[in-house]
Amino acid sequence: GQNIDQPTEMTATEGAIVQINCTYQTSGFNGLFWYQQHAGEAPTFLSYNVLDGLEEKGRFSSFLSRSKGYSYLLLKELQMKDSASYLCAPFDSNYQLIWGAGTKLIIKP
Amino acid sequence: SQTIHQWPATLVQPVGSPLSLECTVEGTSNPNLYWYRQAAGRGLQLLFYSVGIGQISSEVPQNLSASRPQDRQFILSSKKLLLSDSGFYLCAWSVPREDTGELFFGEGSRLTVL
Repeated sequence: GQNIDQPTEMTATEGAIVQINCTYQTSGFNGLFWYQQHAGEAPTFLSYNVLDGLEEKGRFSSFLSRSKGYSYLLLKELQMKDSASYLCAPFDSNYQLIWGAGTKLIIKP
Repeated sequence: SQTIHQWPATLVQPVGSPLSLECTVEGTSNPNLYWYRQAAGRGLQLLFYSVGIGQISSEVPQNLSASRPQDRQFILSSKKLLLSDSGFYLCAWSVPREDTGELFFGEGSRLTVL
């Protein structure tokens, strides 16, 4: 079966760094997306990894290890507006996105 | 630039009533179109996707249906709503045959069935 595992909720302090982990099991693999979703809003694209390694984009970085079925999203210099849910979504062999329930990130002052 | 809009944003409907959610995309041709549902605290559930006019694939058997009467129009419907149909419905599009497959979402429609 296809499965996505992410922590349900995480708490971090403004200005700090947080790493959100994701492990996945899919039928085939064609890359992995991270999306950000603020409460009551639609998800917005953050990153896409198709090869192993780290992709950096400003304060956000995403890492992928295909052999381990593992990815993480690293958020630096946390701001209050980063409070949101973060969704890990791998692409399976049919290019269908498999969505996890997401990790709710709470930022405290 | 490409834009996607869906409406209505919020609706409250009684059990057994019909439903129609509409989604339109501008600025692109022949997009892949999707309807997702997100229940509270749950992941996105793919309901329908379409690769062209009149071509609808259903992922989950239920009392919902989808139609694509025009290239950039996608409609989600139900003849009789159930309580379990409550949720946050999201329309999305992607560039066809592109490996990145990034999804661009509409604003979402929050449905409450009473």
